[in-house]
Amino acid sequence: EDQVTQSPEALRLQEGESSSLNCSYTVSGLRGLFWYRQDPGKGPEFLFTLYSAGEEKEKERLKATLTKKESFLHITAPKPEDSATYLCAVQAPQGGSEKLVFGKGMKLTVNP
Amino acid sequence: GAVVSQHPSRVICKSGTSVKIECRSLDFQATTMFWYRQFPKKSLMLMATSNEGSKATYEQGVEKDKFLINHASLTLSTLTVTSAHPEDSSFYICSAGSRGGYEQYFGPGTRLTVT
Repeated sequence: EDQVTQSPEALRLQEGESSSLNCSYTVSGLRGLFWYRQDPGKGPEFLFTLYSAGEEKEKERLKATLTKKESFLHITAPKPEDSATYLCAVQAPQGGSEKLVFGKGMKLTVNP
Repeated sequence: GAVVSQHPSRVICKSGTSVKIECRSLDFQATTMFWYRQFPKKSLMLMATSNEGSKATYEQGVEKDKFLINHASLTLSTLTVTSAHPEDSSFYICSAGSRGGYEQYFGPGTRLTVT
């Protein structure tokens, strides 16, 4: 069974304090690993897709990396507006289905 | 990025009535749409997958006769909660995937409250 585990469940940072969020996964035949940001009362906002080990992608203060067992979302010098829940999901071919398996999310709070 | 809309954003209905939620992909053709349910402070729970022009595939434990899904075109899918009860109150979110792409783009969600 495909599984996604995110850690920590919650993280508090001071503005400017860099950190990393972890997403470990077990899946047969990874098609893609996805990072989303979700603000309270809103739908997830797409951030990154990673397809193969060694791949890295960046967007502003965020950088996502992927290995064969886990992905990291690095946040450099975060600002209060980076506060949100970050979701990790994996996609694997299951009988042709494209469905995502999500982790429980990681709530990030950045204090000014 | 791709834009997905949902309507309504909030709805309050009485127990026993039915509610329809629309999900539209605004700037791309969505061959597959997904419907999720999210409880407070929890992650997304996939309810069903729908492909344009065919019957939806429901996840285990989701009642297909209660949550009716129609994907009549490449830009529109609807979820109808039939005979709603208070326990159906939740945040419902749709997502859409385009042909040839792996990414799913999510709508803003619909907050359903059944009184």
